[in-house]
Amino acid sequence: EVQLLESGGGLVQPGGSLRLSCAASGFTFSSYAMSWVRQAPGKGLEWVSTISGSGLSTYFADSVKGRFTVSRDNSKNTLYLQMNSLRAEDTAVYSCAKDLREQLVLNYMDVWGKGTTVTVSS
Amino acid sequence: QSALTQPASVSGSPGQSITISCTGTSSDVGGYNYVSWYQQHPGKAPKLMIYDVSKRPSGVSNRFSGSKSGNTASLTISGLQAEDEADYYCSSYTSSSTWVFGGGTKLTVL
Repeated sequence: EVQLLESGGGLVQPGGSLRLSCAASGFTFSSYAMSWVRQAPGKGLEWVSTISGSGLSTYFADSVKGRFTVSRDNSKNTLYLQMNSLRAEDTAVYSCAKDLREQLVLNYMDVWGKGTTVTVSS
Repeated sequence: QSALTQPASVSGSPGQSITISCTGTSSDVGGYNYVSWYQQHPGKAPKLMIYDVSKRPSGVSNRFSGSKSGNTASLTISGLQAEDEADYYCSSYTSSSTWVFGGGTKLTVL
């Protein structure tokens, strides 16, 4: 069964940092682009970042560019999101998601994790 | 990276058809055939319903269909069922090599 499990969320002060992880299982992790999507309480979906299967190509929303980095360890089947200089508006549930097609970066997210909650507050 | 524009809510009775619009610009929806649609039930993860404007992933009912005209994409649900009540989001690739979601549409089945 294809599964994604996020971890690393929590309460952090404004200006602080946090690293999220997403453990993948049930598919050939290195063959698929992976993404992070967030959803603030009561709000809609917001795309955050995408990384290609090889890890060589990364993409970021303007709202997080320069503050967040995305990486992956294909030997550990794990995706990461390093979040620095956190702001109150970064408060959301962060979910990782798998792309539908192998070897392509199209952000058609066919498998999602349950998400991990990040709260930025003093 | 402005969000794509969707109606906040739509409604329909069981058996009817509804259409949800998703309006962008020539830099996103209008410029690429990389539009997708997601269904999200409360407290659940989103589910991919449509990709490449009009293709359905395996397992998605053929009651769901997608189309595009100019800068506006559309999701049509025919034969509306109670289980279709959910939030729906469109998404598009953009000319900045980023992706953008719509603001979401709440579908109510009357």
